[in-house]
Amino acid sequence: ETGVTQSPTHLIKTRGQQVTLRCSSQSGHNTVSWYQQALGQGPQFIFQYYREEENGRGNFPPRFSGLQFPNYSSELNVNALELDDSALYLCASSPVRQKNTGELFFGEGSRLTVL
Amino acid sequence: KQEVTQIPAALSVPEGENLVLNCSFTDSAIYNLQWFRQDPGKGLTSLLLIQSSQREQTSGRLNASLDKSSGRSTLYIAASQPGDSATYLCSITGGFKTIFGAGTRLFVKA
Repeated sequence: ETGVTQSPTHLIKTRGQQVTLRCSSQSGHNTVSWYQQALGQGPQFIFQYYREEENGRGNFPPRFSGLQFPNYSSELNVNALELDDSALYLCASSPVRQKNTGELFFGEGSRLTVL
Repeated sequence: KQEVTQIPAALSVPEGENLVLNCSFTDSAIYNLQWFRQDPGKGLTSLLLIQSSQREQTSGRLNASLDKSSGRSTLYIAASQPGDSATYLCSITGGFKTIFGAGTRLFVKA
């Protein structure tokens, strides 16, 4: 069984640029969620996708957007990058049986540095 | 608004000691609570998941409890080992959101 995989593992961007991060869900999981983790802090919920639709969002501006594809893989897009966007971005998938009672399985994350 | 607090923020113990990590939350309307382990610069590894209707879960040397009425969960680690050194995070899922605490950094001395 393949776990959650994320790419790229590390990347460096400059302020104002755009970035796309990718996530492949664990086999059989139809829900994916994205988190931002700044150094020394807990992960902050960005949004969740279920069956290709966003069904929950945290306190992040619209320049953070996402997609979920029919194979349940997902993308996180961030436009107009700011220095504070530097963080570890984590993707988690879940085998939802009922609403949000599924266990979360995380990938290793994408480390974004904005200069 | 759900808030999750973890105490202590950091903990250093000698090998072999039993220890308890605490997690408190403000809104008892939850779907589940999950404990994770995170090694530096890595992703999160799931340790235990407690559904809203459950009171505790056990896996090996780990035992987690959930008391929704008091808004508290504890993670008990028996006979700690140096390999247990990591950051431990609890998360609360409810209303299509998952909220994390800031974590407890554990160091087990050999």
